[in-house]
Amino acid sequence: DTGVSQDPRHKITKRGQNVTFRCDPISEHNRLYWYRQTLGQGPEFLTYFQNEAQLEKSRLLSDRFSAERPKGSFSTLEIQRTEQGDSAMYLCASSSPGSAQHFGDGTRLSIL
Amino acid sequence: SQQGEEDPQALSIQEGENATMNCSYKTSINNLQWYRQNSGRGLVHLILIRSNEREKHSGRLRVTLDTSKKSSSLLITASRAADTASYFCATDLSGSARQLTFGSGTQLTVLP
Repeated sequence: DTGVSQDPRHKITKRGQNVTFRCDPISEHNRLYWYRQTLGQGPEFLTYFQNEAQLEKSRLLSDRFSAERPKGSFSTLEIQRTEQGDSAMYLCASSSPGSAQHFGDGTRLSIL
Repeated sequence: SQQGEEDPQALSIQEGENATMNCSYKTSINNLQWYRQNSGRGLVHLILIRSNEREKHSGRLRVTLDTSKKSSSLLITASRAADTASYFCATDLSGSARQLTFGSGTQLTVLP
């Protein structure tokens, strides 16, 4: 069990650029989640995958955001035309049915 | 939007003392979970209490749940400097664990 891995740990980009984050879940976990966390707040749910199927999406996930999990293993979260308000920590978690969610250390996005 | 609200927002105690954090939520839940987050890191699951349970223990942790008051408390006994972290409650509204709704957290500082 190597834990949930996220890459990169930090991303600094200019407003208007596209960014993509990667999450590698714990290998035996078929459930994968993305959350966003701003300073001083708890994580907010963005989306959920079961295997390769994206089963739930939050209203926070605007049309500039897209997430994929093409083979039911790793996942990517892309933000197009980044805005200042996108600055946050993006957290990925994975779980098996009935188990607690295991979180990665997140990708901190800073928009200049 | 955040379902839970932790109280207090910040708590500072001496090593060896007990720390109590409270969480209130708004809607009916299937279960409530507590997580810890060290600065700059992901969240670590601490304990889960189901809606039909009133109290649960895990090591130095004691969690209570009062569904009539829609509140929960987390007690850490004999605190250590290593317990310094943010603590979040999270509610699972559906029972499917597809989506957790987190509170805004309590920042605990344990002074050596």
